[in-house]
Amino acid sequence: GAGVSQSPSNKVTEKGKDVELRCDPISGHTALYWYRQSLGQGLEFLIYFQGNSAPDKSGLPSDRFSAERTGGSVSTLTIQRTQQEDSAVYLCASSYRDRGPGANVLTFGAGSRLTVL
Amino acid sequence: GDSVTQMEGPVTLSEEAFLTINCTYTATGYPSLFWYVQYPGEGLQLLLKATKADDKGSNKGFEATYRKETTSFHLEKGSVQVSDSAVYFCALSDRGGTASKLTFGTGTRLQVTL
Repeated sequence: GAGVSQSPSNKVTEKGKDVELRCDPISGHTALYWYRQSLGQGLEFLIYFQGNSAPDKSGLPSDRFSAERTGGSVSTLTIQRTQQEDSAVYLCASSYRDRGPGANVLTFGAGSRLTVL
Repeated sequence: GDSVTQMEGPVTLSEEAFLTINCTYTATGYPSLFWYVQYPGEGLQLLLKATKADDKGSNKGFEATYRKETTSFHLEKGSVQVSDSAVYFCALSDRGGTASKLTFGTGTRLQVTL
């Protein structure tokens, strides 16, 4: 696609429910990132996928959070048993180069705003 | 661990004023440094970057110089416009030249008025 597509754009859920957030990266981009943007907190790294390598999950805040990337393309971030502190904007980004000058030039999606009541 | 510290906003300037947004970092090794911008209602986008010490990144009239001796990457623009109103994020990657996670600062909101 032309850009990084995320869905849903807005999600309101009740505490304790599970949610799934989807990211469709730019075609051909091998690296995919999930970040969380909370009010006044900046961007918090969650997880990073690069090609067929094992993902870097070092930023996932708890075992309620998980993510997968199927076929090296679409990714789903799953939050189980949501808590109010999970409320944030979840951003997905992708990049097409894994090394060299183009590495780390991320293209971000518009984000999925999650509100946990 | 790696960290990025930005000046707190909001920064409010009149059009044509000079802009500086301070950014300092802590990292091991040789990070690459970035400024990303988020315009109202839009996703983050890369503004400029520098991959090694003394490099200057520039775009749209904005500049930032990678200063290893002061571990800084301050963003400057000589004459801001209303259209520059946005949130600016400083970031670093811990492995320059290879894909890795970016560490972001908390962002600085810039408001430019007529």
